[in-house]
Amino acid sequence: DGGITQSPKYLFRKEGQNVTLSCEQNLNHDAMYWYRQDPGQGLRLIYYSQIVNDFQKGDIAEGYSVSREKKESFPLTVTSAQKNPTAFYLCASKVGGAGTGELFFGEGSRLTVL
Amino acid sequence: DAKTTQPPSMDCAEGRAANLPCNHSTISGNEYVYWYRQIHSQGPQYIIHGLKNNETNEMASLIITEDRKSSTLILPHATLRDTAVYYCIVRASGGNQGGKLIFGQGTELSVKP
Repeated sequence: DGGITQSPKYLFRKEGQNVTLSCEQNLNHDAMYWYRQDPGQGLRLIYYSQIVNDFQKGDIAEGYSVSREKKESFPLTVTSAQKNPTAFYLCASKVGGAGTGELFFGEGSRLTVL
Repeated sequence: DAKTTQPPSMDCAEGRAANLPCNHSTISGNEYVYWYRQIHSQGPQYIIHGLKNNETNEMASLIITEDRKSSTLILPHATLRDTAVYYCIVRASGGNQGGKLIFGQGTELSVKP
């Protein structure tokens, strides 16, 4: 079945460590997104990419980095520069370019910094 | 993208219609209204979207006012499984404007027996 897969589902890390969250989609979508969600809050956009080898910062990009070397993959690295990384991270994809395609979300990755 | 305003929470009795409002007074002519919902600790799920006309699908109906400054999502017969946070977002279609999608705080709908 086509879909979007995030891994790991749960992740623990020590302060000062970088960690990379995986996001893979087999929907042949051009655009991919990373959002962060804190308890009781809405989704905040970290980074997005509308095409391979290109990406743009969202509203809270500081302390995060991404790459888009393949159409199906958009990994997010949470660096040690991110001051408060404990959160629920959501990846999404959609048909890019012109059009009104809906967003498809993964099931999320919950990161806890110890 | 236009900012949206939603009530933080609403209750609805099981079997009754749930009407969730959204204000988007600064919406532009090429911006669509989208609704998503998120059940606790899961990824959000697309519900419906529209531009000017009212829309209906198997999940819900979307009513957009004539001036497009507000809209209402209607769940015709709410069930306990409809308990979730509902997000209203507006975004442009096409070109670079279709890229950045901003979610607000949403409305937490509680369906009660």
